Amino acid sequence: GAVVSQHPSRVICKSGTSVKIECRSLDFQATTMFWYRQFPKQSLMLMATSNEGSKATYEQGVEKDKFLINHASLTLSTLTVTSAHPEDSSFYICSAMDSGNYGYTFGSGTRLTVV
Amino acid sequence: GESVGLHLPTLSVQEGDNSIINCAYSNSASDYFIWYKQESGKGPQFIIDIRSNMDKRQGQRVTVLLNKTVKHLSLQIAATQPGDSAVYFCAETITGNTPLVFGKGTRLSVIA
Repeated sequence: GAVVSQHPSRVICKSGTSVKIECRSLDFQATTMFWYRQFPKQSLMLMATSNEGSKATYEQGVEKDKFLINHASLTLSTLTVTSAHPEDSSFYICSAMDSGNYGYTFGSGTRLTVV
Repeated sequence: GESVGLHLPTLSVQEGDNSIINCAYSNSASDYFIWYKQESGKGPQFIIDIRSNMDKRQGQRVTVLLNKTVKHLSLQIAATQPGDSAVYFCAETITGNTPLVFGKGTRLSVIA
């Protein structure tokens, strides 16, 4: 079945630094990837939608200059949290859409802790 | 029984009993719905899906019911097992290049 590899699974960074999270679709082409954020005991909240080769579309309230999304190929999308602060600590999850069947495949998530 | 905590409601069931998890979805235009299971520290795991042209779909030990009139979705788990303990989310979307919108989630706790 379709697999999305997300790395790193856990990262701790200092306040003010940047962190990059990668999501790769391993056996299918993903023209669209979705990035979600999940705070403890809450649901997944959509942050942005990225289409290969074009700029990401951000949800209301999500700062595009803080959460940089790059989707340069059909198998790789990255989310960079710039100048991270403790309030950015969260669980970040990507989801890739298989352009062939509109199926959704989720990564395993990245636990970001900013200290 | 079911209780509503600060964020996630919790459903506690005895092992072997059937579980019913409910979800109210938001967009009457949504035509595709998925139930996910999420264990601690992991990404969502697909359980079962249903399209709006159906009102019931069955899988192995799971059944999803869709009531479009009241925008309600439910997940039934038969003979609940300890391994079913997790948080369950419903998600909705409009078929196409569109994201899934997740419901609030329910924590299922199975009592052995």
